[in-house]
Amino acid sequence: AQSVTQLGSHVSVSEGALVLLRCNYSSSVPPYLFWYVQYPNQGLQLLLKYTTGATLVKGINGFEAEFKKSETSFHLTKPSAHMSDAAEYFCAVSGQAGTALIFGKGTTLSVSS
Amino acid sequence: DTAVSQTPKYLVTQMGNDKSIKCEQNLGHDTMYWYKQDSKKFLKIMFSYNNKELIINETVPNRFSPKSPDKAHLNLHINSLELGDSAVYFCASSPIGGRHGDTEAFFGQGTRLTVV
Repeated sequence: AQSVTQLGSHVSVSEGALVLLRCNYSSSVPPYLFWYVQYPNQGLQLLLKYTTGATLVKGINGFEAEFKKSETSFHLTKPSAHMSDAAEYFCAVSGQAGTALIFGKGTTLSVSS
Repeated sequence: DTAVSQTPKYLVTQMGNDKSIKCEQNLGHDTMYWYKQDSKKFLKIMFSYNNKELIINETVPNRFSPKSPDKAHLNLHINSLELGDSAVYFCASSPIGGRHGDTEAFFGQGTRLTVV
């Protein structure tokens, strides 16, 4: 069985500040981990993913995440927030390729000027 | 070309009606899914089809039935619509197995269903 917990349903930062969105997972098999972003009234876009190999993964728009097996975490970071980063962010886990994603409840990121 | 396309984007209908949402992917993926996003934005898997065979059927009412005429299409039929069915429904596709790293799901733009 797999599950995802996103700590903090709403995160607010100032433009230029560090963005940190937290994700912890539970999985009985080696996990595949993903971060998706959803802009208002749009579908989900993949930010980055971890499957195997390097534990620090870089994604689009300057985001990166680090897989920490010992902490069962996959936190998303960005050094400097931009107004355009305001959106809903979802962490997800799957057990293997081609299996359904299990999503966290999402974190709304607000960016103020 | 849109990778995963859903139609319609918006659907407003009355309780008790039957409706369908269509989904097509041009990525050559083997697996397609339907997810439901509720009013609190929580995303939950409904169905998964792998090469036209149902491999997941979560606790979804049998009023919902997926139909896959071929590997590139997965339609969602909903009978006797209820108020609680109002949500955004997302179609997605992903490869199965495949090369290392080819594991993410690609999502359509969603269909916002409103039952009145």
